[in-house]
Amino acid sequence: KAGVTQTPRYLIKTRGQQVTLSCSPISGHRSVSWYQQTPGQGLQFLFEYFSETQRNKGNFPGRFSGRQFSNSRSEMNVSTLELGDSALYLCASSLATENTEAFFGQGTRLTVV
Amino acid sequence: DQQVKQNSPSLSVQEGRISILNCDYTNSMFDYFLWYKKYPAEGPTFLISISSIKDKNEDGRFTVFLNKSAKHLSLHIVPSQPGDSAVYFCAASVNTGTASKLTFGTGTRLQVTL
Repeated sequence: KAGVTQTPRYLIKTRGQQVTLSCSPISGHRSVSWYQQTPGQGLQFLFEYFSETQRNKGNFPGRFSGRQFSNSRSEMNVSTLELGDSALYLCASSLATENTEAFFGQGTRLTVV
Repeated sequence: DQQVKQNSPSLSVQEGRISILNCDYTNSMFDYFLWYKKYPAEGPTFLISISSIKDKNEDGRFTVFLNKSAKHLSLHIVPSQPGDSAVYFCAASVNTGTASKLTFGTGTRLQVTL
């Protein structure tokens, strides 16, 4: 069974640009969550999508958005990039049923210069 | 505010001994707790979880204990192995019992020495 796949693994962007990250969940998982990891803030929840609908949202500005497709694949978009957006972006998929875990991808390392 | 806290940034344990990693939380609505292990430049790997209706869950060398009245959980690794050296995160979710939206602690770096 394939794990959670995130593309690309590494990305360098310039301030002001926008970026799209992709996540393919484990087959059968309908919930996809996104997290940002930075040295200062740790792992922080961005949002969760379930059956193409955003179900939960963290405390991030509107520049951070996402969507989920009918095959459960998800994309995350960050517009008007700032230096502080440099981070490891992690995607997790789960069955979203009780007492089941979330499985993480390897992440996309975004560097904003 | 940090709702999930791991107050020890690092821990060093000898191979074969017990490693105890601690986690405290403030939100009494958390009802599902998980431990993840993370290597640099990789995503977290799930280790073990516990529901708030239990006080202990065991899986091989890993045991998680939950003390709801103290809002405290701990991960015990026995015996510790060099391959256990990594950063360990505890995580919690609210009112759903699922892992859809997790609040993470800041992590504890475990080093298992020979």
